[in-house]
Amino acid sequence: AQSVTQLDSQVPVFEEAPVELRCNYSSSVSVYLFWYVQYPNQGLQLLLKYLSGSTLVKGINGFEAEFNKSQTSFHLRKPSVHISDTAEYFCAVSKISGGYNKLIFGAGTRLAVHP
Amino acid sequence: DSGVTQTPKHLITATGQRVTLRCSPRSGDLSVYWYQQSLDQGLQFLIQYYNGEERAKGNILERFSAQQFPDLHSELNLSSLELGDSALYFCASNRAGSTEAFFGQGTRLTVV
Repeated sequence: AQSVTQLDSQVPVFEEAPVELRCNYSSSVSVYLFWYVQYPNQGLQLLLKYLSGSTLVKGINGFEAEFNKSQTSFHLRKPSVHISDTAEYFCAVSKISGGYNKLIFGAGTRLAVHP
Repeated sequence: DSGVTQTPKHLITATGQRVTLRCSPRSGDLSVYWYQQSLDQGLQFLIQYYNGEERAKGNILERFSAQQFPDLHSELNLSSLELGDSALYFCASNRAGSTEAFFGQGTRLTVV
């Protein structure tokens, strides 16, 4: 079975500061890794995903994440955040199998960007 | 706009009642997933359908059921509702072989 731990439930940060949202996963099989963002009263939108290859993955809105197999981590980073990045961020994994597997989500990290 | 449509957006109902949530997947997507997002449980996978057949089951209560119709839309039926069933219910869809699932805006269910 797979599980995802997001180490911070809330991350407050000032505008234009860098941010890192931490995610660790546990799985006995190889997985795909994802970060989703949920803006208030909205559905989930894919920020980026790691399938294979380069461990540094770039996504939308200036976000990037680094896959670390030895530490089973997939931390999300942004060098300079904006007020509009205020949202809830979810790390997720899915088992590599046929391309249509369910996502297992972490509990989410609420990013609050202050002016 | 993800292309996944969920109706209704909001639903308020009383305990003991039954409701049906509807999801229309993106054009061409054969897989539909249902998730429940609640304050205490977070985002939980409920059930997956692929081309009309149930493919995977998660933490779905026996009072809940789902189906996918020949036109590929899906319905999630929730019965004997309890206060604790109040949550945001998401539908997602993707194509076979795709690693990305697209989410609808969700249906917010409030049980009073």
